[in-house]
Amino acid sequence: KAGVTQTPRYLIKTRGQQVTLSCSPISGHRSVSWYQQTPGQGLQFLFEYFSETQRNKGNFPGRFSGRQFSNSRSEMNVSTLELGDSALYLCASSSDPGLAGVGEQYFGPGTRLTVT
Amino acid sequence: GENVEQHPSTLSVQEGDSAVIKCTYSDSASNYFPWYKQELGKRPQLIIDIRSNVGEKKDQRIAVTLNKTAKHFSLHITETQPEDSAVYFCAASYQGAQKLVFGQGTRLTINP
Repeated sequence: KAGVTQTPRYLIKTRGQQVTLSCSPISGHRSVSWYQQTPGQGLQFLFEYFSETQRNKGNFPGRFSGRQFSNSRSEMNVSTLELGDSALYLCASSSDPGLAGVGEQYFGPGTRLTVT
Repeated sequence: GENVEQHPSTLSVQEGDSAVIKCTYSDSASNYFPWYKQELGKRPQLIIDIRSNVGEKKDQRIAVTLNKTAKHFSLHITETQPEDSAVYFCAASYQGAQKLVFGQGTRLTINP
C-alpha cells in the first residue's frame, strides 16, 4: 500500500495570508489527524476527522480549520497567518479502530510552512 | 488535564549498550501508548505501541513496559546500533480517543 502523502511539501507565505494543506491517507483508512510540530512546543494535536466529520479537536484558535472528503482525503486551512504558525504540519492516517478504541497512526512526510 | 512528560531529553550511549526512555502521563483514561522514531528531516515512524490491557510488549531489540497504576511507560532498546540514533517520542491517547498527546522527545545518540 502507498503511504500517507501530503502536498505541498514546502510553502512560504506572508503574514496575514491564508494557506491550505492537503493530506491523502493510506488506502482504506478513514481517520485523518493533523499535528503541528515546532522545536519549542513539540508535536501538538490540531484535529481529527473520521468519515467527513470532525471527531476530536485540540486547543488551537479558530483560524485553524479542516475538512475531510468522501474519499477520506483531508485538507487543513490556516487563515490570517501569523509568524508563530511557522511549523511542520503533519497528518496521520488510521484505520477504523473498532473495539480496539484507538487505531495506530501513520504519519505523512509533512508540509513545512514558513510565514514571513 | 492532558500532559505527557518524557525523560531524558538527551541520551548518549555506547554502541551495543541499552537505552531506556521513560514517560509519565496524567490522563487516567489513556489506553493506548505508541512510540515514534523521527530521524532528521523525516516523518515520525511508529516503532512499537502498547495498550492498557498489556504490561509489556517486545519486538526484536525494542520493548515497551506499562505501569498503569503509576501512569508511566518506558521504551527499552537493547544492543543499540548507530542507526538507532534519532529523536524518540512517546505519546498517550487522550480520553481514549483518536487524539495523541506527545512527550517532548528524547534525542538518542549512539556512539560507535
